[in-house]
Amino acid sequence: DTAVSQTPKYLVTQMGNDKSIKCEQNLGHDTMYWYKQDSKKFLKIMFSYNNKELIINETVPNRFSPKSPDKAHLNLHINSLELGDSAVYFCASSQVTSGRRSYEQYFGPGTRLTVT
Amino acid sequence: GENVEQHPSTLSVQEGDSAVIKCTYSDSASNYFPWYKQELGKRPQLIIDIRSNVGEKKDQRIAVTLNKTAKHFSLHITETQPEDSAVYFCAARQNNFNKFYFGSGTKLNVKP
Repeated sequence: DTAVSQTPKYLVTQMGNDKSIKCEQNLGHDTMYWYKQDSKKFLKIMFSYNNKELIINETVPNRFSPKSPDKAHLNLHINSLELGDSAVYFCASSQVTSGRRSYEQYFGPGTRLTVT
Repeated sequence: GENVEQHPSTLSVQEGDSAVIKCTYSDSASNYFPWYKQELGKRPQLIIDIRSNVGEKKDQRIAVTLNKTAKHFSLHITETQPEDSAVYFCAARQNNFNKFYFGSGTKLNVKP
């Protein structure tokens, strides 16, 4: 059974459109993250939520808006997509604040976003 | 903030040889240092990690060493195999903000 899952796996869309990526984890973790991996493979954190509360909000355009309806889900909505948004977006989760603090971070399979 | 530097960017070794990848970090408050392996088109997979109160950790053919004073940590892979070929990332967890900073990756090629 999948620990961290994302949908969709591939997303091809035109400039100016709005799209969402969904992430779910069944590990019981309290912290979830969004990362962007560009064409040079560099992994950069975008957002982090702990128990549905936003705790990290890196310098990303405000066209990107995360939403965490509950501890197990973290979605990413992107408005007015631009060519430069093309990348692979990874969701991840870890256990940080309560119970067993393992810090181990597990990644989802990634969503390859292509903006044309 | 934290700054993680990783070297080399590419590494080519013969099957059976050892491979070493090095990372340095800047924030002495960082307390957890994972290593990830990412195969082409796949997600980063945690392969080994080390906490700041430990100097060395080993798991079969892979080991990680940490020098807190010098702020550097290294991944050692012995008896490399072609299936070890992948991109490897180091990371440092900044304790104050629970942020992970990643190195720029090392593409390891193990030649059969």
